[in-house]
Amino acid sequence: DVKVTQSSRYLVKRTGEKVFLECVQDMDHENMFWYRQDPGLGLRLIYFSYDVKMKEKGDIPEGYSVSREKKERFSLILESASTNQTSMYLCASSGVGQSNFYEQYFGPGTRLTVT
Amino acid sequence: SQQGEEDPQALSIQEGENATMNCSYKTSINNLQWYRQNSGRGLVHLILIRSNEREKHSGRLRVTLDTSKKSSSLLITASRAADTASYFCATDLTGANSKLTFGKGITLSVRP
Repeated sequence: DVKVTQSSRYLVKRTGEKVFLECVQDMDHENMFWYRQDPGLGLRLIYFSYDVKMKEKGDIPEGYSVSREKKERFSLILESASTNQTSMYLCASSGVGQSNFYEQYFGPGTRLTVT
Repeated sequence: SQQGEEDPQALSIQEGENATMNCSYKTSINNLQWYRQNSGRGLVHLILIRSNEREKHSGRLRVTLDTSKKSSSLLITASRAADTASYFCATDLTGANSKLTFGKGITLSVRP
């Protein structure tokens, strides 16, 4: 079974801190994604990556950056955390499945609170 | 607006009843997927239907796709309390190269 793990389930940070959210997958997937989920807004894509050292902006990249130095690891960085970045952050990965279509596998999520 | 929009936003049914959830989308797709999210957890993939398929079954799940109407339905038969969760449709757009666009989700409550 695919396993996607995230470094923390809950995180509390102060405004202005630099925050690192780590995501690791164990299925050699090419694609990795970071979403944030807020009530009434659903999942919104922040950044994604098709390969090591490659990254693409999603729908809401402002205030975030990412790093993918190894295929299995995709990090989300909040350069200077703000209260409007309080949210649930979800990491996902996907590869070319048996059907040749991309099903995404999600981690358990990190609930980040910025005070 | 969102590519995939689910309807209704919330649904409450009695255990044993069937639950029907709908999703509409706007542009051409490669496939459409349904996911479930239990409270405070990550999403779990349920079922995928390709653009050239009309119906697909998996256990108590039945999904249909009507590309002419740009809509899909997810039916959960003989619902259980454990089916209580949020359900999301996600579209794999033509040319999107593995990126999915998620709807806002439907909250399903199954009363014991």
